[in-house]
Amino acid sequence: SQQGEEDPQALSIQEGENATMNCSYKTSINNLQWYRQNSGRGLVHLILIRSNEREKHSGRLRVTLDTSKKSSSLLITASRAADTASYFCATAPDTGRRALTFGSGTRLQVQP
Amino acid sequence: DAGVIQSPRHEVTEMGQEVTLRCKPISGHNSLFWYRQTMMRGLELLIYFNNNVPIDDSGMPEDRFSAKMPNASFSTLKIQPSEPRDSAVYFCASSLRQGTDTQYFGPGTRLTVL
Repeated sequence: SQQGEEDPQALSIQEGENATMNCSYKTSINNLQWYRQNSGRGLVHLILIRSNEREKHSGRLRVTLDTSKKSSSLLITASRAADTASYFCATAPDTGRRALTFGSGTRLQVQP
Repeated sequence: DAGVIQSPRHEVTEMGQEVTLRCKPISGHNSLFWYRQTMMRGLELLIYFNNNVPIDDSGMPEDRFSAKMPNASFSTLKIQPSEPRDSAVYFCASSLRQGTDTQYFGPGTRLTVL
């Protein structure tokens, strides 16, 4: 089963609005990462937040992490049509030799 | 800097044929991953190599699938014999040290099995 589950599955907003996507997970993590995938392309890493961090910023991106609730959110401010893509969270386990586990993604559509 | 390179980008084959997908990771990266992406199942990790050694192959669907990494700069994913349900986009990714690091994805190989 997927470790990370994104919510909502799909989101449609107008250009200039903010977009918020959520990710919930089940087990303890070392870090949580967000990736973006444009249609027909590979995933691109956006931001990594470690388990001892609560918030991180990168340009128009803001990520929060609440380890007590096992959840994270990705906020894209002042969205642009070019932000249209699928966004995935990926969790890194804090034990064992496993790799990242990716969620099912949120499809974001930004209307110009 | 060249990113992760995959070939071919598109492959169309008939059921029963052998398919070989190729990947060149980013130079200096020690971990390599093969993923499969479909609408129904999302992004699935098939196998993860670290320092050319398979660490986790629990995602390999069945014996028809095999992966090798003969050296640090090359990996193959082979399907023999192929079936229509193997149709998907296959991604290769690499990371600097281990499986929990940031991963860099290739452009993918779109496989269609008729």
